Amino acid sequence: DTEVTQTPKHLVMGMTNKKSLKCEQHMGHRAMYWYKQKAKKPPELMFVYSYEKLSINESVPSRFSPECPNSSLLNLHLHALQPEDSALYLCASSPGISYEQYFGPGTRLTVT
Amino acid sequence: AQTVTQSQPEMSVQEAETVTLSCTYDTSESDYYLFWYKQPPSRQMILVIRQEAYKQQNATENRFSVNFQKAAKSFSLKISDSQLGDAAMYFCAYRSAFKAGTASKLTFGTGTRLQVTL
Repeated sequence: DTEVTQTPKHLVMGMTNKKSLKCEQHMGHRAMYWYKQKAKKPPELMFVYSYEKLSINESVPSRFSPECPNSSLLNLHLHALQPEDSALYLCASSPGISYEQYFGPGTRLTVT
Repeated sequence: AQTVTQSQPEMSVQEAETVTLSCTYDTSESDYYLFWYKQPPSRQMILVIRQEAYKQQNATENRFSVNFQKAAKSFSLKISDSQLGDAAMYFCAYRSAFKAGTASKLTFGTGTRLQVTL
């Protein structure tokens, strides 16, 4: 299995909703990442987990809450989002934090 | 801080022809990695090719090759025998060699959209 999967593919949520994005990999990678990508822009790093511990938080607002329950799974919990948070959310993984990253297909999030 | 510049917002190539996408970067580091990622309309970022800065030999993956000029801080991607499936946004990216807390950060360029025509 050489892929990173993300669910759901699309998500529409209101500003008062609570939702979660899920990312899974079964490649034995020990580092996992969340990126945010606006249209026609490169991805922006949000969080990095290394060995299930939060390694980097790029000053992301607290309405985004990451969670790494185990080495294969990464969640992003969403609460009280703003319309400007609408974007493509990409998950990636790598064997370790010094290796190249492999991306999932992304979740297209729309906040209404 | 490192920066990555892609000066060509859009490029077009005819099927079966060759195209070169440009990328320049700025860094004071001597040890680092460079990548080209492809993002088709399906949105998934796909790793195309990687280059270690300490290697003088240019990386090659099938129809994809790079021209890495370390002194000039240039890292261009050549696509030979272009195919319709090559149409995508291409991002150049930089990553420092391992240092705690920094190695995981990819610095991306702004991307080049490649069109492939019949």
